[in-house]
Amino acid sequence: DQQVKQNSPSLSVQEGRISILNCDYTNSMFDYFLWYKKYPAEGPTFLISISSIKDKNEDGRFTVFLNKSAKHLSLHIVPSQPGDSAVYFCAASEGGATNKLIFGTGTLLAVQP
Amino acid sequence: DTAVSQTPKYLVTQMGNDKSIKCEQNLGHDTMYWYKQDSKKFLKIMFSYNNKELIINETVPNRFSPKSPDKAHLNLHINSLELGDSAVYFCASSQAGQGGIYGYTFGSGTRLTVV
Repeated sequence: DQQVKQNSPSLSVQEGRISILNCDYTNSMFDYFLWYKKYPAEGPTFLISISSIKDKNEDGRFTVFLNKSAKHLSLHIVPSQPGDSAVYFCAASEGGATNKLIFGTGTLLAVQP
Repeated sequence: DTAVSQTPKYLVTQMGNDKSIKCEQNLGHDTMYWYKQDSKKFLKIMFSYNNKELIINETVPNRFSPKSPDKAHLNLHINSLELGDSAVYFCASSQAGQGGIYGYTFGSGTRLTVV
């Protein structure tokens, strides 16, 4: 049973435009949501997170939006750059002592020059 | 100066063999993890240690045994390797209680191929 889902396996965007990556979850006990970026043959790298008590968090070109009632979050990248081409993973945590992160299956973003 | 380092990066071995993957972090974190990324690219947690104590043990065959000699090291030993064990294994670390806010720091992965 996948608690974190990314229904779009891939996304293609033109350089300079906005990239919107989506993620849905089923567990209402999650209290933190995170986005990771992964290049081939490398480990995932942390991008941005948001607490469940907020609905928006921004860091430079990256903004994460959280809609708790819809159990949905999205990552906006503006403007998109060719170097943003990578697999993006959504993850969620219940917090607590274990801080276990549960990952979605990823979305491959291709930013076309 | 690598934060989380795993060795080896690639591992090809025959079915039935026993192998180990090593992980070390120099971030001063007290919690370390092993994740498995299968052929469908799904990242799934296997184990977590906090200060050498096992705190997460997901449904993993007991052929997999983690060992943490100290809080900077978490090794993964796999006995009697099977074809289905072929995957990329990622080590990660975080400070206890902060993994949700600041995320984990991942190593670059070990690609295990069982033939």
